Amino acid sequence: EVQVVQSGAEVKKPGESLRISCKTSGYSFPSYWIAWVRQMPGKGLEWMGMIYPGDSDTRYSPSFQGQVTISVDKSITTAYLQWNILKASDTAIYYCAYASSAVIFDHWGQGTLVTVSS
Amino acid sequence: DIVMTQSPDSLALSLGERATINCKSSQSVLNTSNNKNYLAWYQQKPGQPPRLLIYWASTRESGVPDRFSGSGSGTDFTLTISSLQAEDVAVYYCHQYYSTPMFTFGPGTKVDIK
Repeated sequence: EVQVVQSGAEVKKPGESLRISCKTSGYSFPSYWIAWVRQMPGKGLEWMGMIYPGDSDTRYSPSFQGQVTISVDKSITTAYLQWNILKASDTAIYYCAYASSAVIFDHWGQGTLVTVSS
Repeated sequence: DIVMTQSPDSLALSLGERATINCKSSQSVLNTSNNKNYLAWYQQKPGQPPRLLIYWASTRESGVPDRFSGSGSGTDFTLTISSLQAEDVAVYYCHQYYSTPMFTFGPGTKVDIK
């Protein structure tokens, strides 16, 4: 059974760094794309970017290029989303999702709430 | 960038009624080499992650009730719920996966019971 389990909620201050995780199991991790999606409070879904674990090919939406880093650790079948300098506007729920076919994202994590507040 | 728009923003219907949600892309998402439309529909209930309903514009995901159907091609697409049930209350998003890396979602359509 495919599982996508994200790390727990975080509360951080502006200027701090953060890395959240997305642990997957039940499929061949290197072979399928993993994406990250942002949902700000009360708002819609925003595509952030995706990574192909097999070769770490990473593609960012222009809106998020340079703002976050997407990475993977194949040895523990986990993907990451990282910020070096958090801003209050990064407050959101972040979802990871895996595509079992092409780039159709059919398995989603439960979401990680990130709150950035002074 | 491909911009996705949806209409209406919200709708409220009685149980058993047909719900129709429209999605329009600013550019075609039809890949003429394989004749596939790179368009999906997601359902998101409060406090839950999105759930894939439809992909390739009209292919129903496994386990999705057959009252959900997708249609359209090129730039204009429709999600239809043939007989609205209480458990269908949610926000529905269309999503284009044609234009990498800038995949985009529509703004969402909220469906309620009248």
